[in-house]
Amino acid sequence: GNSVTQMEGPVTLSEEAFLTINCTYTATGYPSLFWYVQYPGEGLQLLLKATKADDKGSNKGFEATYRKETTSFHLEKGSVQVSDSAVYFCALGRNNFNKFYFGSGTKLNVKP
Amino acid sequence: GAGVSQSPSNKVTEKGKDVELRCDPISGHTALYWYRQRLGQGLEFLIYFQGNSAPDKSGLPSDRFSAERTGESVSTLTIQRTQQEDSAVYLCASSLDRASSYNEQFFGPGTRLTVL
Repeated sequence: GNSVTQMEGPVTLSEEAFLTINCTYTATGYPSLFWYVQYPGEGLQLLLKATKADDKGSNKGFEATYRKETTSFHLEKGSVQVSDSAVYFCALGRNNFNKFYFGSGTKLNVKP
Repeated sequence: GAGVSQSPSNKVTEKGKDVELRCDPISGHTALYWYRQRLGQGLEFLIYFQGNSAPDKSGLPSDRFSAERTGESVSTLTIQRTQQEDSAVYLCASSLDRASSYNEQFFGPGTRLTVL
């Protein structure tokens, strides 16, 4: 089957710290992988994506590399800001799939 | 431009009552999804509409749940005889076509349902 597991939160960091949020997946076939972000009071937004093994998705200073050998898609940022405080969701889907499979979300709190 | 909107933002109801949740997708988006998010859990797929095709209802948890969509417009999710286990945030998303790595899903802010 298909599923996504991501690290539990909350994660609390000081501004300018390095961020890693772990995400691993189980999938049949060749999925695409995504990170969505939900800022307080807003809907989920696509943050970045990778469609095949070894692809790196990047956006707003965040990066994630699709690692087929470890079935992982960890989210990283070199220097977080207070404005990055949000809930981050890892997800997988396949081209032309009706459904995406989402992780449970990881809340990030960044303190000034 | 306008994003996906949902109403109400919050709904408190008594066990056994029926509730109706509304989703207004982005204009021109043919695909519409409903998800449920229980506290501390991931998003759970409920139902998918694509244009005038028969919806994919495979995620609906029981026959108390139903959803409608007329054409490519508004969708309503109805929960009959609500139970406390139905308490969750219900999220709606739309996309230009069937969701894929090339067609991003745009999410609404959700409706928080509390069943007392």
